[in-house]
Amino acid sequence: DAKTTQPPSMDCAEGRAANLPCNHSTISGNEYVYWYRQIHSQGPQYIIHGLKNNETNEMASLIITEDRKSSTLILPHATLRDTAVYYCIALDSGGGADGLTFGKGTHLIIQP
Amino acid sequence: DSGVTQTPKHLITATGQRVTLRCSPRSGDLSVYWYQQSLDQGLQFLIQYYNGEERAKGNILERFSAQQFPDLHSELNLSSLELGDSALYFCASSVWGGSPLHFGNGTRLTVT
Repeated sequence: DAKTTQPPSMDCAEGRAANLPCNHSTISGNEYVYWYRQIHSQGPQYIIHGLKNNETNEMASLIITEDRKSSTLILPHATLRDTAVYYCIALDSGGGADGLTFGKGTHLIIQP
Repeated sequence: DSGVTQTPKHLITATGQRVTLRCSPRSGDLSVYWYQQSLDQGLQFLIQYYNGEERAKGNILERFSAQQFPDLHSELNLSSLELGDSALYFCASSVWGGSPLHFGNGTRLTVT
């Protein structure tokens, strides 16, 4: 699975859009981009995933660049409850040979 | 609520002992994953089962073993426990290997 790079931490004001970047320059054609988040000591929570096209669900939007080398997760109206560590993972369509590998992620802090 | 149930929520035991952690996956999910999260470590993938068969193995110690039963629930057995085994243990499930994972709320194991 391709390596992903994320900033270690970010701040965002409550009510503003939080834009979390992820670099995956070595992603291959059959690898999806997945986003999860983990609120302190809780189980990670699936947010969204995509292959080429932009995706939106009730939680967030995922924007993938045309060359697929990077993506941005957008939380449109961040609330204090969105404070969490966000993980960007590249995973092939078969699920990968060694499970889902979580890196260090981005610690997003929503400021009141 | 992810639909994944882990029991017990907390477990305190002594060094050298053996414990069993239990996971019930979401209804319809065939794949079960186990992860370990220590204070100073990220989420470490331990092992994955698919429909009763071991599919992938990560950094699982020889003192640890797991299985998935015909009703699809899974157990993680930890033996000869050491202080360093104190951690949060998460179970996740998915329909198949490449689909989003849904995590339980974890079992917090404390070895004294």
